[in-house]
Amino acid sequence: DVKVTQSSRYLVKRTGEKVFLECVQDMDHENMFWYRQDPGLGLRLIYFSYDVKMKEKGDIPEGYSVSREKKERFSLILESASTNQTSMYLCASSPPGRGGSNQPQHFGDGTRLSIL
Amino acid sequence: AQRVTQPEKLLSVFKGAPVELKCNYSYSGSPELFWYVQYSRQRLQLLLRHISRESIKGFTADLNKGETSFHLKKPFAQEEDSAMYYCALGTFGNEKLTFGTGTRLTIIP
Repeated sequence: DVKVTQSSRYLVKRTGEKVFLECVQDMDHENMFWYRQDPGLGLRLIYFSYDVKMKEKGDIPEGYSVSREKKERFSLILESASTNQTSMYLCASSPPGRGGSNQPQHFGDGTRLSIL
Repeated sequence: AQRVTQPEKLLSVFKGAPVELKCNYSYSGSPELFWYVQYSRQRLQLLLRHISRESIKGFTADLNKGETSFHLKKPFAQEEDSAMYYCALGTFGNEKLTFGTGTRLTIIP
């Protein structure tokens, strides 16, 4: 069974801090994703990585960056945390699509981040 | 650009009654559609995908390309179906999914 592990379930940080959210998957998946989950807004993609050191902006990348130095690990970085980044953050992974089709994504438990 | 619309934020249904969660999409190509579910205090997980044509936990969903819809249905609701449901759209050659805003389903005992 695919395991996607996010390092923290709950995190409280202060405005202006640099925040790191870590995600590790154990299924050798090429694709990894970071989402924000907000009530009424659903899941919004922040960043996507399709290989080591490769990344692509999602729908809401402003204020975030990512790092993928190893295949199994995908980090989300809030360069200077702000209160509007208080949210639930979900990490997901998937194998590459076949013949152009999509593969289901496997999600972690989420990190509830509060910025004070 | 592709889009997924789930018109109901909240849906309450009595136990034993039929359930239908609506999902409409906009995409000019051949879509792939998924339903994901998140039970209380659990991670988001795949419920079903249209290419599998399966029934999972009594739920089915049929892709209607004419109406650009992928509604999720269950003939008899159970209390354990209470959860948050997201519809998601995949497009050809693109590894990303576009998610809807979700519908919170509550089954009334």
